[in-house]
Amino acid sequence: DVKVTQSSRYLVKRTGEKVFLECVQDMDHENMFWYRQDPGLGLRLIYFSYDVKMKEKGDIPEGYSVSREKKERFSLILESASTNQTSMYLCASRPGGFSNQPQHFGDGTRLSIL
Amino acid sequence: EDKVVQSPLSLVVHEGDTVTLNCSYEVTNFRSLLWYKQEKKAPTFLFMLTSSGIEKKSGRLSSILDKKELSSILNITATQTGDSAIYLCAVEAGTSYGKLTFGQGTILTVHP
Repeated sequence: DVKVTQSSRYLVKRTGEKVFLECVQDMDHENMFWYRQDPGLGLRLIYFSYDVKMKEKGDIPEGYSVSREKKERFSLILESASTNQTSMYLCASRPGGFSNQPQHFGDGTRLSIL
Repeated sequence: EDKVVQSPLSLVVHEGDTVTLNCSYEVTNFRSLLWYKQEKKAPTFLFMLTSSGIEKKSGRLSSILDKKELSSILNITATQTGDSAIYLCAVEAGTSYGKLTFGQGTILTVHP
């Protein structure tokens, strides 16, 4: 079974702090994704990565950056946290290329910015 | 811009009822449509529908893709309280393989 692990289930930070959310997958997947989930808006893609050192902007990248130094790890960074970044953050991974394989998700990190 | 819309946004039923959840999409270069179930934690994969596989079934759950109408339905028969969850529809399209666009989700509540 694919295992996607997010480092924290709940996190509370202050406005202006630099925040790191970590995601690790154990299936040697090339593709990794970061979403945020808000009531009534569904999941929205922040950034994704096709492979190590690669990154692509999703639909709502403003205020975020990412890092993929190793294949199994994809980090989401909030450069200067703001209250409107309070949300549930979900990480996902899948094999790369044309494979007809679904994304597998972690349990999510519920982030509160005070 | 790719767009995926789910309806209804929320639904309350009693155990034993049959429910139908809807998903419609407007995308360029459609490749697949996926359904996920999300309880309190990670969304879990239910079905993937493509041009070569427009109908899937697993137990009490089934799903159909209508490429002409650009939509899909997810049916759950003989609902149980354990079916209470958010059901997410997502579409893979365009030139970015693996990238999904999600709908808003349908919150299903099944009362005993």
